[in-house]
Amino acid sequence: DVKVTQSSRYLVKRTGEKVFLECVQDMDHENMFWYRQDPGLGLRLIYFSYDVKMKEKGDIPEGYSVSREKKERFSLILESASTNQTSMYLCASSPGLAGLNEQFFGPGTRLTVL
Amino acid sequence: QKEVEQNSGPLSVPEGAIASLNCTYSDRVSQSFFWYRQYSGKSPELIMSIYSNGDKEDGRFTAQLNKASQYVSLLIRDSQPSDSATYLCAVLNTGGFKTIFGAGTRLFVKA
Repeated sequence: DVKVTQSSRYLVKRTGEKVFLECVQDMDHENMFWYRQDPGLGLRLIYFSYDVKMKEKGDIPEGYSVSREKKERFSLILESASTNQTSMYLCASSPGLAGLNEQFFGPGTRLTVL
Repeated sequence: QKEVEQNSGPLSVPEGAIASLNCTYSDRVSQSFFWYRQYSGKSPELIMSIYSNGDKEDGRFTAQLNKASQYVSLLIRDSQPSDSATYLCAVLNTGGFKTIFGAGTRLFVKA
């Protein structure tokens, strides 16, 4: 069974804090993704990675950065958290060519920035 | 125009009925299409993928694709209360790396 885990289910941070969201997958998938999900807007891609140390911007990368030092781990960093980054953050992974195969999602992290 | 559009619903159907969920997309050359189900408070899970025109059946689920009309649909036969969830339509963009998700349709199946 593919398992994607995220470091926290709920997180509360203050404006200006640096925030780290961790994602780990145990199926040796090449591709990993970070999305945020907001009511009425659906899933929006922040960043993705198709290999270790490789990263590509998604649709809404501003205010975020990522790190992939090991194949199984993909981190999302909010350099200086702002209230408009309050959201549900979902990590996903997939094998092979990105998008042709099923994406497996983690349980999500609900981040609140005060 | 959004890249992937779905009616937000809610769509309400009685138990045992057919639920029909629809999705349109703007990228004419998209090749891969997916339906994900997301229960409240949970993360999405894939239920169907379809790559060529026509119908694809898997149990109670049928995905339909019409590339000429840029239209994808999901039919759920013999709907059950456990099918109550948000259904996300997803389309792989022409670049091949990004999957674009619709905002989802909320389905309620009344017992």
